[in-house]
Amino acid sequence: ETGVTQTPRHLVMGMTNKKSLKCEQHLGHNAMYWYKQSAKKPLELMFVYNFKEQTENNSVPSRFSPECPNSSHLFLHLHTLQPEDSALYLCASSQDGGQGTEAFFGQGTRLTVV
Amino acid sequence: SQQGEEDPQALSIQEGENATMNCSYKTSINNLQWYRQNSGRGLVHLILIRSNEREKHSGRLRVTLDTSKKSSSLLITASRAADTASYFCATDNEDTGRRALTFGSGTRLQVQP
Repeated sequence: ETGVTQTPRHLVMGMTNKKSLKCEQHLGHNAMYWYKQSAKKPLELMFVYNFKEQTENNSVPSRFSPECPNSSHLFLHLHTLQPEDSALYLCASSQDGGQGTEAFFGQGTRLTVV
Repeated sequence: SQQGEEDPQALSIQEGENATMNCSYKTSINNLQWYRQNSGRGLVHLILIRSNEREKHSGRLRVTLDTSKKSSSLLITASRAADTASYFCATDNEDTGRRALTFGSGTRLQVQP
C-alpha cells in the first residue's frame, strides 16, 4: 500500500462510452500525475498538477480530460476512446519541491476499449 | 527518443546470483531514481541518487551514477525469486527545470528459484 488509491482497478468500455478514473492520495503531496503504460513502451507522462493547477499536458488528445478538484484527488475523464487507448493508467503523487523526491504510484487502472 | 533507456531489456538469472541493470539518459539531471514494478501493478520507489553522488546503497541494492557518461547502474546482490519484476530508471530534467519523472522502457528481471 503506497498511500495512492486508484479506482476502478479494471475497466472495459466501448468507444462511445464516457467513464472516469479516480485517484486519491492522503500523503499530503502537492503534485499529482497521470501516466499511461502501454505494452512494450515506456511510461508516458500525460498530465501534471501542482497545487490543483495543471502545469503540464503532453499533447494528450482531448478525449482524455483531467480534473483536479483539490490536492488529494485527481480524475481522468474518458470520452470516445479508441482501441489503441487500451493501457494501464497510473496515477502518482509527490511532494514537489527542491531537488526532487520520490513518486508514489497507485496500482493502476487496466483499461480495455472495445 | 526516450530520456531513460535500460539495458538489457530482459535478464534471467538463478537465485543467489547478482543482477546488474544499466540506464542511460540524455539531459542534465538533479537526480535519478530506480523503481520496481510487479506485473500489471503500480511502480514502487527503490532508491534515489542525486547528481552530486556517485554511489548509493540500500540493503541488497547498489546504485552508481556517472553524470559524465549520463549513465547509472542498479545492482541487486544475492537475488531472490521475489526480486522477479520489471525495473525502471527515471530522471527529472535540469535543462528544462522539469521535475516530473521521465521513465525508460525497463528491464524485465526473472530470477529462477
